[in-house]
Amino acid sequence: ELKVEQNPLFLSMQEGKNYTIYCNYSTTSDRLYWYRQDPGKSLESLFVLLSNGAVKQEGRLMASLDTKARLSTLHITAAVHDLSATYFCAVDTVQGDNDMRFGAGTRLTVKP
Amino acid sequence: GAGVSQSPSNKVTEKGKDVELRCDPISGHTALYWYRQSLGQGLEFLIYFQGNSAPDKSGLPSDRFSAERTGGSVSTLTIQRTQQEDSAVYLCASSSLDTQYFGPGTRLTVL
Repeated sequence: ELKVEQNPLFLSMQEGKNYTIYCNYSTTSDRLYWYRQDPGKSLESLFVLLSNGAVKQEGRLMASLDTKARLSTLHITAAVHDLSATYFCAVDTVQGDNDMRFGAGTRLTVKP
Repeated sequence: GAGVSQSPSNKVTEKGKDVELRCDPISGHTALYWYRQSLGQGLEFLIYFQGNSAPDKSGLPSDRFSAERTGGSVSTLTIQRTQQEDSAVYLCASSSLDTQYFGPGTRLTVL
């Protein structure tokens, strides 16, 4: 059974600092997704990583994928308060099947 | 264009009652998913429909839960004889290629 683990589960950081969220998964997959969820809201797609070595950046967020290590990272650069949210990674269970499993989420709080 | 819609947005029911939750996916999306999210928790996969294939029901927590998708479009998640532990936000998502688009969810409260 595919397991997806994120760490940390809770992250409190100050504005201007950098930090990385990690997502490990247990079986072979070459598709990984990152989502953002604001309190009381639904999930918003951030990144889709489709191959080993894929790197995508949007603003202060950068995501990467290492399929050999079964690891994805979401790096936050110079955090701002607006980034406060819960971030989820998700992995396809079968290549191209679009059947995904989610990590538990990382609740990020950025303090002034 | 219209996104994924779900109804009702909130449902309060008494223990033991049956409830039906509805999901309207984005038009043309062949894949549809149901997830459950308890307060402060991650997403728990429930069921997955892909085109005309048999659904993946491996995430349904008990036989009180069932779902159907009519005509490859609208889906209904039914929970029979609801229990208090069924209280959660039920999220529906649809996709055509690489990205799942989520609906706003239905918040179910079982008293």
